[in-house]
Amino acid sequence: ETGVTQTPRHLVMGMTNKKSLKCEQHLGHNAMYWYKQSAKKPLELMFVYNFKEQTENNSVPSRFSPECPNSSHLFLHLHTLQPEDSALYLCASSQVSRGTLHQPQHFGDGTRLSIL
Amino acid sequence: GQQLNQSPQSMFIQEGEDVSMNCTSSSIFNTWLWYKQDPGEGPVLLIALYKAGELTSNGRLTAQFGTTRKDSFLNISASIPSDVGIYFCAGPFAGGTSYGKLTFGQGTILTVHP
Repeated sequence: ETGVTQTPRHLVMGMTNKKSLKCEQHLGHNAMYWYKQSAKKPLELMFVYNFKEQTENNSVPSRFSPECPNSSHLFLHLHTLQPEDSALYLCASSQVSRGTLHQPQHFGDGTRLSIL
Repeated sequence: GQQLNQSPQSMFIQEGEDVSMNCTSSSIFNTWLWYKQDPGEGPVLLIALYKAGELTSNGRLTAQFGTTRKDSFLNISASIPSDVGIYFCAGPFAGGTSYGKLTFGQGTILTVHP
């Protein structure tokens, strides 16, 4: 599925580096999400943006900093990460509105992050 | 808080066999979603259910929205090697200030032996 595109697909970085993950959705959705997926663990929601406003920060450490400049783009800025932050980071988008049926989220293929 | 219990956690089956997995919730849902995640890729939506008792098919896949609104089932008939992957159930997360949040099950890892 090419509706949600994430770059890069793989990233290896040291603990002192600064890098950014990018997500772009071509579906015209108004909500975007960052998830962390570690081995043998359920998907962990990190951040939610509704209509470009951050509406959820799920107790995520400050070394992860999200940015949503418009409804089509979402970034995750990384700095001073720890080895336990190595995981697959997934971006998703959906169309949300009050009083309507819950619309599914559409996912990108993720960025596989490895912290040395 | 909301919890989704998905079972089984893993399945090892022979090609051609049928597969069943289920998901139960601690609260009532008005939507059930089933996703599949192939290795190295993101989850892809398989089936969406919006009505209690609803039975929906997508090829060899059939999913049902339980009548209690607290459970859902996914069946795969005549499995093939490309059915390998992780299957997730998901439902709307109640509470908080965000729209569109989902709660996910822990996933069922399916392995199909040729």
